[in-house]
Amino acid sequence: GQQVMQIPQYQHVQEGEDFTTYCNSSTTLSNIQWYKQRPGGHPVFLIQLVKSGEVKKQKRLTFQFGEAKKNSSLHITATQTTDVGTYFCADREREIWETSGSRLTFGEGTQLTVNP
Amino acid sequence: DTEVTQTPKHLVMGMTNKKSLKCEQHMGHRAMYWYKQKAKKPPELMFVYSYEKLSINESVPSRFSPECPNSSLLNLHLHALQPEDSALYLCASSLWQYYNYGYTFGSGTRLTVV
Repeated sequence: GQQVMQIPQYQHVQEGEDFTTYCNSSTTLSNIQWYKQRPGGHPVFLIQLVKSGEVKKQKRLTFQFGEAKKNSSLHITATQTTDVGTYFCADREREIWETSGSRLTFGEGTQLTVNP
Repeated sequence: DTEVTQTPKHLVMGMTNKKSLKCEQHMGHRAMYWYKQKAKKPPELMFVYSYEKLSINESVPSRFSPECPNSSLLNLHLHALQPEDSALYLCASSLWQYYNYGYTFGSGTRLTVV
């Protein structure tokens, strides 16, 4: 099945520093969804990117989809302690979609810790 | 109501027990999912239901048996589990299975098999 690689696995920053996580695939992605999971919590949907080169912003969060639709990134400006958690990218596999429906494949996630 | 509700939140069961996990949503979502998540790992898809019909089974062992009694409810029946089945079991739903909508996850059932 399609694999989505996510780096880095861990990132520790000082409060106020920026943070970026990257999601890469060897094949073209149909779309990318981003989720945040707080420690002890459940994944929460953040955003979806569909178009090549798409850029979306949510306050301090900026999401990008690569021109070739093989990579995506999430950038947080001026991190806060409330940003702590694991950020997952997830791809919906096209080959399954046309037969029996969608399957979201999650990357391994980037665990962000923020030192106050 | 914009939530997916899962019960119980915690469950400890023996290897010979039979138990069920429950999931409920009232958002009108017609696709519902079961995921398994081990510590420090991403969620792994187990089952997908679309319009109350099972559409994807990710080769899950038969000791896990899903059921979708109606469009709002999803159950996961557990029988003769192994200690390695201990994990966080997440239910999720989405508006349409075949379109690009985000999933709404429940808070999960933390299962321990002893």
